[in-house]
Amino acid sequence: EAGVVQSPRYKIIEKKQPVAFWCNPISGHNTLYWYLQNLGQGPELLIRYENEEAVDDSQLPKDRFSAERLKGVDSTLKIQPAELGDSAVYLCASSPTGQATPPGELFFGEGSRLTVL
Amino acid sequence: KNQVEQSPQSLIILEGKNCTLQCNYTVSPFSNLRWYKQDTGRGPVSLTIMTFSENTKSNGRYTATLDADTKQSSLHITASQLSDSASYICVVSARGGYNKLIFGAGTRLAVHP
Repeated sequence: EAGVVQSPRYKIIEKKQPVAFWCNPISGHNTLYWYLQNLGQGPELLIRYENEEAVDDSQLPKDRFSAERLKGVDSTLKIQPAELGDSAVYLCASSPTGQATPPGELFFGEGSRLTVL
Repeated sequence: KNQVEQSPQSLIILEGKNCTLQCNYTVSPFSNLRWYKQDTGRGPVSLTIMTFSENTKSNGRYTATLDADTKQSSLHITASQLSDSASYICVVSARGGYNKLIFGAGTRLAVHP
């Protein structure tokens, strides 16, 4: 079975340009996460979805970041306009459910590496 | 404040040697603790998940321990291989609500021949 699929793997843009990342979670996984990971750091949660509902977006910079998960399956994360400080890896993860047993096992995608020039 | 601290920040060992990575946390109320392995340029992959009642859990050459009283965990790697070179991330889940996950910064391990 396919794992979490993300695209693009790499993206280089100039500052002030828009960028979008796409994530296809593991089939049947209701919970979807977007994380930001800076070099040498652990992932930081941007937004968490339970089906199509964003249940935790408290860390999402809503002035420039937006996300959607239509139909509770695929998700997109958008940045507009991008800033130099947005250069990072954007990880998508999915989980069978938020409180399942084993408790919320996360499966990560390979990530999308963004470089803003 | 819920925090996860890992040590050392980085580590270099020779192939075949053992090593132990440390994780201290202040997350409360505690639900479970996970160790992930992240190869360079890849997403994290789960190694172990331990709940409050579990002291030790193994996955091949990886053995995780948990002391819920002192809020410490360790990941022991036995007979290291070159493929063990990666970052190892400790993640603690807080109980309640949607099991919020708190990530450590990771320990970067380099195994040299």
